[in-house]
Amino acid sequence: GAGVSQSPSNKVTEKGKDVELRCDPISGHTALYWYRQSLGQGLEFLIYFQGNSAPDKSGLPSDRFSAERTGGSVSTLTIQRTQQEDSAVYLCASSSMGGAKNIQYFGAGTRLSVL
Amino acid sequence: KNQVEQSPQSLIILEGKNCTLQCNYTVSPFSNLRWYKQDTGRGPVSLTIMTFSENTKSNGRYTATLDADTKQSSLHITASQLSDSASYICVVSAWDMYSGGGADGLTFGKGTHLIIQP
Repeated sequence: GAGVSQSPSNKVTEKGKDVELRCDPISGHTALYWYRQSLGQGLEFLIYFQGNSAPDKSGLPSDRFSAERTGGSVSTLTIQRTQQEDSAVYLCASSSMGGAKNIQYFGAGTRLSVL
Repeated sequence: KNQVEQSPQSLIILEGKNCTLQCNYTVSPFSNLRWYKQDTGRGPVSLTIMTFSENTKSNGRYTATLDADTKQSSLHITASQLSDSASYICVVSAWDMYSGGGADGLTFGKGTHLIIQP
């Protein structure tokens, strides 16, 4: 596609429910990143994929968070048993390859609200 | 601990005026520094990226500078327009020799919220 696409754009859920967030990276981009942006805070790195493998999961805040990527393309971020502190904007980015100089292109994010 | 500090936290200027946003970092080993613009409700968009050897880079009315010795960067906006109203995020990348830089080791600042008034 022309850009990074994320869905849904907004998600409201009840505490304790599971949610699944989807990211469609730019076609051909091998690297994919998930970030979390809380109100008034900088972006918080969650997980990085190179192809289908995730060499860096260091940012996942708890075992309730998981992510997968299939076919080297679409990725889903799953949050189980959501808590109110999970409320944030979840941003996905992709780049043509991993590496310190490659520009990341961001999607518009999914705004998650846990009631 | 790698950190990126931005100032001011927020800024209001009149349309047509210039402004400068600051970024100080303590990231090591340094690989590159990026400035992103994030419009409300949108993802960040890259403005500039500078490596250790580059001390200035322009993108239209945006000019970024980098002083790798003092670990400071600035983003100067010339002749501001209403569309410049956004958050500007400074991002510093640490070179990760073990992963080949794959995870980028990015540290994000909290951003400067800029409002351009007519």
